Amino acid sequence: AQSVTQLDSQVPVFEEAPVELRCNYSSSVSVYLFWYVQYPNQGLQLLLKYLSGSTLVKGINGFEAEFNKSQTSFHLRKPSVHISDTAEYFCAVSESNYQLIWGAGTKLIIKP
Amino acid sequence: DAGVIQSPRHEVTEMGQEVTLRCKPISGHNSLFWYRQTMMRGLELLIYFNNNVPIDDSGMPEDRFSAKMPNASFSTLKIQPSEPRDSAVYFCASNLGTGDTGELFFGEGSRLTVL
Repeated sequence: AQSVTQLDSQVPVFEEAPVELRCNYSSSVSVYLFWYVQYPNQGLQLLLKYLSGSTLVKGINGFEAEFNKSQTSFHLRKPSVHISDTAEYFCAVSESNYQLIWGAGTKLIIKP
Repeated sequence: DAGVIQSPRHEVTEMGQEVTLRCKPISGHNSLFWYRQTMMRGLELLIYFNNNVPIDDSGMPEDRFSAKMPNASFSTLKIQPSEPRDSAVYFCASNLGTGDTGELFFGEGSRLTVL
């Protein structure tokens, strides 16, 4: 069965420092991969997605993620974070049907 | 373009009362999803509609929960009777449906507190 593991429940980082949020998945078939962001008291919105092609995917707000098939990972990165990036980030996997398998989320805490 | 619209944003009710949450999906989207989010269980898919027809309701917790989609622009999630363990944020999401790659558009959620 598919599963998604976000290894860190919280990641504190200083403003303007780089950040990496980790995501690993398990699946026996080809998958689509997603990162969603949830700002406080809001719904989730798509940050970026990997469907096929280039393994480096760029998203909104300066975020990018790299699909690594051999390591079954899809880590999210940003070279320099801002206070406005404070949010919870969710990794998700889809096997080409309607069902998304969600990670537990990682709270990004920006320290001034 | 209007996004997914949910109401109410906040609901506080007493145990045993009926609760109705409402959702208007994005115009032209054929699929609608109801999710529940809690600290303990994270995001859970409750029910999925395609072209107004319930396709998968295996996530609905029990008979106290019911969902309807009478037309393409409106859906309700009803809890009767409500219990304190139903306290959560309920999200509605929509997308284009068949052939879509999984990008979901979420509403801002309805925060339910059952006392």
